[in-house]
Amino acid sequence: QSVLTQPPSVSAAPGQKVTISCSGSSSNIGNNYVSWYQQLPGTAPKLLIYENNKRPSGIPDRFSGSKSGTSATLGITGLQTGDEADYYCGTWDSSLSAHVFGTGTKVTVL
Amino acid sequence: QLQLQESGPGLVKPSETLSLTCTVSGGSISSSSYYWGWVRQPPGKGLEWIGSIYYSGTTYYNPSLKSRVTISVDTSKKQFSLKLNSVTAADTAVYYCARHAHDPNFDYWGQGTLVTVSS
Repeated sequence: QSVLTQPPSVSAAPGQKVTISCSGSSSNIGNNYVSWYQQLPGTAPKLLIYENNKRPSGIPDRFSGSKSGTSATLGITGLQTGDEADYYCGTWDSSLSAHVFGTGTKVTVL
Repeated sequence: QLQLQESGPGLVKPSETLSLTCTVSGGSISSSSYYWGWVRQPPGKGLEWIGSIYYSGTTYYNPSLKSRVTISVDTSKKQFSLKLNSVTAADTAVYYCARHAHDPNFDYWGQGTLVTVSS
């Protein structure tokens, strides 16, 4: 059972925007950087956002991250069918002394 | 371009030891900036971090698995390995090896390998 809670699913039409929340606590999100990962069906996770809001080279600026207090948010604008995937947040939990991932959110493009 | 590749048996019997190796190519495993970790994903479920190792051999493990896990590194072969003992059906999962920085973002991943625990 993950200490980071995400909505099970979100959906929107092509071209629209979705946001995915990741709720934690002071022992994880509140005092550590957050990363976001995209997992396309049948593939390994891919890093989308690191250090709360930075994008690795090659990740389009349609993807954005933010953090406030003990929650983080991933935003996807200009939604495309290729964005249909599972998305996970991740961070370090100082109380558990463990890397932790969120429960995952499935994005559906209507 | 850094690449990671998992290898090992796809089927393990209950109570036995699961052993996997990750081979790193296209870059150094001895970088002082990175750790090398294992993450697993049971079918249809989320991601779970198992443990990580530094090139010097320093390890740290998920407390929930610590009693059953050993991770080691062989820098000469550019490989790091996972051993998980006393496995049960609950250990059936896709196992990924991955690189991560001190700031815990996992930036390179292997393709993953499915390990099934069954008699």
